[in-house]
Amino acid sequence: DAKTTQPNSMESNEEEPVHLPCNHSTISGTDYIHWYRQLPSQGPEYVIHGLTSNVNNRMASLAIAEDRKSSTLILHRATLRDAAVYYCILSGANSKLTFGKGITLSVRP
Amino acid sequence: GAGVSQSPSNKVTEKGKDVELRCDPISGHTALYWYRQSLGQGLEFLIYFQGNSAPDKSGLPSDRFSAERTGGSVSTLTIQRTQQEDSAVYLCASSLATSLRNTQYFGPGTRLTVL
Repeated sequence: DAKTTQPNSMESNEEEPVHLPCNHSTISGTDYIHWYRQLPSQGPEYVIHGLTSNVNNRMASLAIAEDRKSSTLILHRATLRDAAVYYCILSGANSKLTFGKGITLSVRP
Repeated sequence: GAGVSQSPSNKVTEKGKDVELRCDPISGHTALYWYRQSLGQGLEFLIYFQGNSAPDKSGLPSDRFSAERTGGSVSTLTIQRTQQEDSAVYLCASSLATSLRNTQYFGPGTRLTVL
């Protein structure tokens, strides 16, 4: 499965935008880019996914580079409830998700 | 609607005992996945089901681990002769089908502690 690289952690202030980067230089043409997040003591939660075009939903936006070798998850206004581990994942065979360590987002009030 | 449910939420067992973990997927979801998460680590894929069959068992760590799914719905993950290194949170997820874009919905997990 193609690998993703994320920073270990990021801090943000409440009500400010947050940009979470992800590198995936070995992405294949059919891989979707998925983002999940995991709040403390909970199972992962789907955030957003995309293939080539930028995507928006009620939770976040996903900006995908033209060469698809990187992407950025954008939280438009961070809240304290957004503090979580965010995983950037490329879909593999049989849609098995290979989770890395993710990026830990802290939100300051 | 009801999400993915797992039982028990917590299980404490003694080394050498067998345990069974249960997952109830979202109704209508044909694909079901098992993962485990050790303390402070990311999720590790174990096995997935499409219907009642398991085309990919590659993640099962040893032959002490097995899983089955009946009626295309409930799945049971069984760990025989548990070891302390089996202690982890076991997570189940389901999706409408297995495709590269299908969203997986996760349950709350079962926290297994092997003493």
